[in-house]
Amino acid sequence: NAGVTQTPKFQVLKTGQSMTLQCAQDMNHEYMSWYRQDPGMGLRLIHYSVGAGITDQGEVPNGYNVSRSTTEDFPLRLLSAAPSQTSVYFCASSRAGGSSGNTIYFGEGSWLTVV
Amino acid sequence: ELKVEQNPLFLSMQEGKNYTIYCNYSTTSDRLYWYRQDPGKSLESLFVLLSNGAVKQEGRLMASLDTKARLSTLHITAAVHDLSATYFCAVDAGSNFGNEKLTFGTGTRLTIIP
Repeated sequence: NAGVTQTPKFQVLKTGQSMTLQCAQDMNHEYMSWYRQDPGMGLRLIHYSVGAGITDQGEVPNGYNVSRSTTEDFPLRLLSAAPSQTSVYFCASSRAGGSSGNTIYFGEGSWLTVV
Repeated sequence: ELKVEQNPLFLSMQEGKNYTIYCNYSTTSDRLYWYRQDPGKSLESLFVLLSNGAVKQEGRLMASLDTKARLSTLHITAAVHDLSATYFCAVDAGSNFGNEKLTFGTGTRLTIIP
């Protein structure tokens, strides 16, 4: 039972480079989200998806792009990396539950450094 | 804009003592989550609170929700070293479909001293 799998775990980028953080879940969850965690702060929502083909912006979407072509995968693309994007990135997934408040599962995180 | 505030931000407590972490939020929501995070690790779900007056307990941790006061508490009873971690509360930020959008507090770093 893999749960939510993120790759890579660690990455160093040069300013201006692009890359994709991968996220896959094997629980057939409808909802998937990307958060970033900076020191001394809680997690902040970057983008989210409520199903294949449906994505929307969160609190801090600038500089990031997402797509959801399958239920299982939700990649996060950094278009032109900047030092301000140095952070820990978490992918999360959960079932569609309306008012039921389903448990949200988080991946292990991806540590990204932009130099 | 939904704001979520936790206090204290840092907490050192002796083993065996009781303490409470507070989570205040600024707009109406009836869904609140508590998570635990160990250094360098992912977030572990502790509690999901869905209604006013909800109370959940697991071991030495008990969480409650007062939606009228926009306040949740995480109470620690007879703390043990294994509870040392950072604890986050998160509030549903007006999701249209379920729980796809959360706003997190800044976290409370708890250190249990032998």
